[in-house]
Amino acid sequence: ETGVTQTPRHLVMGMTNKKSLKCEQHLGHNAMYWYKQSAKKPLELMFVYSLEERVENNSVPSRFSPECPNSSHLFLHLHTLQPEDSALYLCASSQDGTRGDTQYFGPGTRLTVL
Amino acid sequence: AQKITQTQPGMFVQEKEAVTLDCTYDTSDQSYGLFWYKQPSSGEMIFLIYQGSYDEQNATEGRYSLNFQKARKSANLVISASQLGDSAMYFCAMREGPSGTYKYIFGTGTRLKVLA
Repeated sequence: ETGVTQTPRHLVMGMTNKKSLKCEQHLGHNAMYWYKQSAKKPLELMFVYSLEERVENNSVPSRFSPECPNSSHLFLHLHTLQPEDSALYLCASSQDGTRGDTQYFGPGTRLTVL
Repeated sequence: AQKITQTQPGMFVQEKEAVTLDCTYDTSDQSYGLFWYKQPSSGEMIFLIYQGSYDEQNATEGRYSLNFQKARKSANLVISASQLGDSAMYFCAMREGPSGTYKYIFGTGTRLKVLA
């Protein structure tokens, strides 16, 4: 595997379900990010982890819970979501001081909340 | 005020022609970075090109070049010799803030359609 991978690629869940999104980066980076992309809206940064510590939480509802067990893995735990949470969730990683801290993205998980 | 502005919601270009996608930005930082990404219908955001605020030369990566005009705060993407596979959404983004607390801001995107 190379780059940034995300699983699952598609997820349909009910409002009472609990699910998790997984992201793995194979680039040796030290920072990881979760973004939400809704139709006709700019990318919204949700969470930032640097060296496995959360450094940013952009007023994200508590029904989204991130976890970063190590520098290569990032999870987004979902519970009691709302239909407006349906979106493309993108994971990214970057390395301090490398190419301007360019972010490299995974393919995304397309989430539908019924 | 918008930090990243992409004024072209959609663009058409003939195959093999060059196309310029516009991006203007707003920051008071001296040190910042500018990026362009391509997002095909599959959803993945593909990094294309990076320009640092202190770089004197315009960045180039194969058929992509970034026309950086610092005084005008513009960072337009130029795609030369367009190919059908270039049809996608294109996002301009900026990194600003102190190291360790960077903010990444994305524009609303331009949808490019390459015509055969």
